[in-house]
Amino acid sequence: GENVEQHPSTLSVQEGDSAVIKCTYSDSASNYFPWYKQELGKRPQLIIDIRSNVGEKKDQRIAVTLNKTAKHFSLHITETQPEDSAVYFCAASRGSGGSNYKLTFGKGTLLTVNP
Amino acid sequence: SAVISQKPSRDICQRGTSLTIQCQVDSQVTMMFWYRQQPGQSLTLIATANQGSEATYESGFVIDKFPISRPNLTFSTLTVSNMSPEDSSIYLCSASGTGDLGGYTFGSGTRLTVV
Repeated sequence: GENVEQHPSTLSVQEGDSAVIKCTYSDSASNYFPWYKQELGKRPQLIIDIRSNVGEKKDQRIAVTLNKTAKHFSLHITETQPEDSAVYFCAASRGSGGSNYKLTFGKGTLLTVNP
Repeated sequence: SAVISQKPSRDICQRGTSLTIQCQVDSQVTMMFWYRQQPGQSLTLIATANQGSEATYESGFVIDKFPISRPNLTFSTLTVSNMSPEDSSIYLCSASGTGDLGGYTFGSGTRLTVV
């Protein structure tokens, strides 16, 4: 089955700096890679996702890159703000949008943005 | 994306009893997924619930302990049976939305404490 590795497990940055979280996956059939933000006591919230036919996707301060050959994808947050502090999870799946495929999650990264 | 209502939000239960968690989706979805999240940990998939057939359980999870119902395309329940303190955790349901941009969304979670 799919195995998703996520690094680092914790990341501390100063406000305004950039943060990068990296994930690798094992299943070459995976083609959907979402990122979730989970604040303490809340449900995971989808913040950005990318599909295998795209190498990069950006949404304001958040971007995700995908290298299918190397089987890794990364989350980039620029101009970090204290409200970006949360646990971030990467995930991989063989499908999306009404698909029957399950998500496999990385172990998460605790991001702390210091004012 | 699909919107999921989950209840109860939290419960404290006596060991040996059972608790049923309900999830209602605002649109029809083929698959629903049930996860467990231990404090400070990632999400672990318990089972995938398909309407009209028996749920598919992941390694380490069995139907006798976690029976699942999926009576229609918008509703599912997970029962945690014969509970022990080790079952104390957060339980989350998930569903993939419709269309290419659906993604996977989560219910608000059930925080279960077994005493």
